[in-house]
Amino acid sequence: RKEVEQDPGPFNVPEGATVAFNCTYSNSASQSFFWYRQDCRKEPKLLMSVYSSGNEDGRFTAQLNRASQYISLLIRDSKLSDSATYLCVVPQDFGNEKLTFGTGTRLTIIP
Amino acid sequence: DADVTQTPRNRITKTGKRIMLECSQTKGHDRMYWYRQDPGLGLRLIYYSFDVKDINKGEISDGYSVSRQAQAKFSLSLESAIPNQTALYFCATSPLGETNTGELFFGEGSRLTVL
Repeated sequence: RKEVEQDPGPFNVPEGATVAFNCTYSNSASQSFFWYRQDCRKEPKLLMSVYSSGNEDGRFTAQLNRASQYISLLIRDSKLSDSATYLCVVPQDFGNEKLTFGTGTRLTIIP
Repeated sequence: DADVTQTPRNRITKTGKRIMLECSQTKGHDRMYWYRQDPGLGLRLIYYSFDVKDINKGEISDGYSVSRQAQAKFSLSLESAIPNQTALYFCATSPLGETNTGELFFGEGSRLTVL
């Protein structure tokens, strides 16, 4: 299994719909997980952190399944502005220098 | 103004040329990083620095060198550029003490094309 694996998409979703995508990871010792958002030709920015079973922030919910070693990101009531690439990030050890970035899932919200 | 500034933002050069990408930050962070991003690959760490006297190789340091001139400045050099170094390069920072917060603050990126 790759260290971090994501479905590249693209996911084309109508505005207002709910969309979810997963990220699988290989290091069972990883304790924390992160979702970054990257707009086209822009820098990645931290969207959410996941330290236990999950985290919710407004329309965004991140869930962690340790047994199956995946994290998911769910976006409810999707907006046009949610169109971006979502990067899954998993630390291989303590320290930001040990972060492994997934290749990203591209999401396009259709009017 | 961006907190993490990269120059140049775009550069086209020829094989064998020396290239320097510069990064400066106003966030006051001690830790700085250089990543490259290629289509179909995740961001990969080239070098990182925890303070002015600390330089560490990342996953893909071959063909690159760095210099930490000050707390706020971290530059990446390609001594003799080759076409497979064509990529989008990002500088990033994080504060000391946040050992595993996962929050990196990225610059806007430098797109390098080596012909």
